[in-house]
Amino acid sequence: GAGVSQSPSNKVTEKGKDVELRCDPISGHTALYWYRQSLGQGLEFLIYFQGNSAPDKSGLPSDRFSAERTGGSVSTLTIQRTQQEDSAVYLCASSLVQMEAYEQYFGPGTRLTVT
Amino acid sequence: KQEVTQIPAALSVPEGENLVLNCSFTDSAIYNLQWFRQDPGKGLTSLLLIQSSQREQTSGRLNASLDKSSGRSTLYIAASQPGDSATYLCAVMNRDDKIIFGKGTRLHILP
Repeated sequence: GAGVSQSPSNKVTEKGKDVELRCDPISGHTALYWYRQSLGQGLEFLIYFQGNSAPDKSGLPSDRFSAERTGGSVSTLTIQRTQQEDSAVYLCASSLVQMEAYEQYFGPGTRLTVT
Repeated sequence: KQEVTQIPAALSVPEGENLVLNCSFTDSAIYNLQWFRQDPGKGLTSLLLIQSSQREQTSGRLNASLDKSSGRSTLYIAASQPGDSATYLCAVMNRDDKIIFGKGTRLHILP
């Protein structure tokens, strides 16, 4: 079956522009997670959705970052007025539900480069 | 604040050897711990998930253990192969629903 997909796979943008990253979770997975992996850094948890609801947005790095999920499926991560420090690989994962017994499955990521 | 540490940061071993990767965490109030592998330029592949009530999980040549009271997990790889070369990451899911990753162990199996 289809796994988690992300688009675009690569995005180069100029500083100050807005970007939108998309994640399509595995069909039927109600929980969806966004992470950021910067060069030389570990994975940084950004936000998770249970259904269309994000209970805690405190992991987002700044108010330039926002995320939404509609229809309990596709999610978009939007970065406004991009900065060079936003350059990273953005990873999305999904799981059946947000519970201890369920594994996360990751997409291939979107590599964002801000010039 | 939960912190997850993985030691060693990098490891090279000859093919065929058994090896252990370590993960430690500072807050034992977790829902689960998950081990992943990441190949260069790729996403993460789930290896094993251990729920907070469990002590270990096994899949093929992999065995992961969890000792919540001491804040430790180990990933044991038996009879290592060159295809096992990757970065191995552990992640804990906190009771506040946040997931914290370690920085990983880069494993290189020498043919």
